[in-house]
Amino acid sequence: QQPVQSPQAVILREGEDAVINCSSSKALYSVHWYRQKHGEAPVFLMILLKGGEQKGHEKISASFNEKKQQSSLYLTASQLSYSGTYFCGTGLRSWGKLQFGAGTQVVVTP
Amino acid sequence: DTGVSQDPRHKITKRGQNVTFRCDPISEHNRLYWYRQTLGQGPEFLTYFQNEAQLEKSRLLSDRFSAERPKGSFSTLEIQRTEQGDSAMYLCASSGEQVLAGRDEQFFGPGTRLTVL
Repeated sequence: QQPVQSPQAVILREGEDAVINCSSSKALYSVHWYRQKHGEAPVFLMILLKGGEQKGHEKISASFNEKKQQSSLYLTASQLSYSGTYFCGTGLRSWGKLQFGAGTQVVVTP
Repeated sequence: DTGVSQDPRHKITKRGQNVTFRCDPISEHNRLYWYRQTLGQGPEFLTYFQNEAQLEKSRLLSDRFSAERPKGSFSTLEIQRTEQGDSAMYLCASSGEQVLAGRDEQFFGPGTRLTVL
């Protein structure tokens, strides 16, 4: 069963913050976050492992709550370049296939 | 360029024809994945190789689909007797650098966009 992402879409003004959530009904080993721009391949942002990790990538950070099987991606002081669709991919083992959510479309306006 | 490469980038074919796509992973990555993505959806897993061994195949993958990775380097995905429902972006990803640390970071190629008329 694929993870559930929320919200489906968010519109931000440059400099604003946003949170994207990814929830699973299964016990996860890892959560992978990607950003995809229209017509391009998904770009790897970060991976979080079970154990309650927090990671950061520029002004984008994420957390993984193992008890809730939920990960959140935080976009801080958003930039125009942050526009795109964000996907979470969940892994049940340390290797193997990922199951992806339906994505969250982020639009950052000037 | 040391990223994942895929060829062709676009393929238009008529229903019933066979098509083959190629993926070259990042050098020395021993794991290679194929995913399929349709408009408005996240990537959907198709199959996975570790070196030349195909370790997992999606139950959604019909017998018309076959993938190989003969020497553990590049991989090919073939679709026989294509149907309009096969129209999608076919993505390849590879991993390997952080695997021993338990971090299977998968890096995607640019994809092959298939259109079946």
